[in-house]
This record gives sequence, C-alpha cells and structure tokens, in this order.
Amino acid sequence: DAGVIQSPRHEVTEMGQEVTLRCKPISGHDYLFWYRQTMMRGLELLIYFNNNVPIDDSGMPEDRFSAKMPNASFSTLKIQPSEPRDSAVYFCAISNSANTGELFFGEGSRLTVL
Amino acid sequence: GENVEQHPSTLSVQEGDSAVIKCTYSDSASNYFPWYKQELGKGPQLIIDIRSNVGEKKDQRIAVTLNKTAKHFSLHITETQPEDSAVYFCAARGQNFVFGPGTRLSVLP
Repeated sequence: DAGVIQSPRHEVTEMGQEVTLRCKPISGHDYLFWYRQTMMRGLELLIYFNNNVPIDDSGMPEDRFSAKMPNASFSTLKIQPSEPRDSAVYFCAISNSANTGELFFGEGSRLTVL
Repeated sequence: GENVEQHPSTLSVQEGDSAVIKCTYSDSASNYFPWYKQELGKGPQLIIDIRSNVGEKKDQRIAVTLNKTAKHFSLHITETQPEDSAVYFCAARGQNFVFGPGTRLSVLP
C-alpha cells in the first residue's frame, strides 16, 4: 500500500453533499482502478484507467458518480449528490496490467453518508 | 460475465493447524487467479497467485491449487499463526477481474 496514497481516510457527510475522494499513485504503473467495498456486495470494480484514459466505467453505479485522471499521479472519484447507500470503503489500486499481475491497493477512504 | 464464489465465509482454526479456503469461478476463459489478504483498516494485499498453465504453486506456508476442468481453486495455509488472522479474497481474471466475497479467518492461540 506504500505505492498508493488515498485521501481522506475517513469522511462523514450529509446526504446531498458532494464528496471527492483522491488517489495519488506512484509512477510506473499504467493502470489505475477504483473499487468500492461493502459488506453486502464485497469488492466491486467501479472504473479503471489506462495511461490516464478511462477504459471501462461499466461498474459506476449511477450518473452521480464520476472519475477523472488528469495526469499519471492523480485521480479523483466524485459523488454528487451523495446518498446514504454510497456509504462504503473506496479503494484505489494500481497495476502494470489490466488482465494479470499484482494490484497494489491504497488503504482506502471510508465514506459515511448520513 | 465472471462469477466467483468462495467458501467458507468464516473459518476458525487453532494455531498450528491448517486452513483451506475454496473458490469456484464460472468463466472458462479466466486465466489468472490471485489471492489477497486484507487486514483490518488496510487495503487488500496480494499473497500468492496462479496462472492457468500451472496446477499448484507454493510459497513457504501458503499454497494454491487450481483445477481448470472443475473451475475451482483453493488456498492452503499450513502451520497457521495468529498473524494469519484476516479476511482473504480469491479473484479470477478473464474478460473481467472479479473478487470472491471473502473469508474471515481467525487463528486462535
């Protein structure tokens, strides 16, 4: 997890507010993934990027979710407006491959929407 | 798409005993099967992986076996220690990368 820095580690917000989660990966990995983890649904892939370009966003649950990767060392996941059912731990992960090879996860951002 | 099932959901063993976690997958095209360990408050971390051209792989106390015909793979931990207590996830990669629901392993001292 030393290769991926996520912030904030914890966020508590009220329904309707905008939430922005941040990910700073180390360089040298071409792929960046956003996952959501809940007790009910486990680890779900939301979106992934290759060389800063979104490749597959079919896991993004609704239009309220958006993700950007303006450069190789920064990505954001935004929820606007947030809802209580968005409460989860959101992980950013990096890899040298979309198909095989190790996924390096950050420590996650725990989001609670009241 | 790929569907990965994992059993058991919880597992308690005495320190020194072995632990086995089993996973099945649905996509016969899947060719990469990693196992991740997640400790409390941390992200998942790769502990071992196996590719479809290999039937078994070992790394010290950890081993993984793969049966492509039956579409199942298993994680074996021998001589378990309290620090092995965590949630373990299997995953399968074919067209999509899909995680199993996880197994909470508790190693009792």
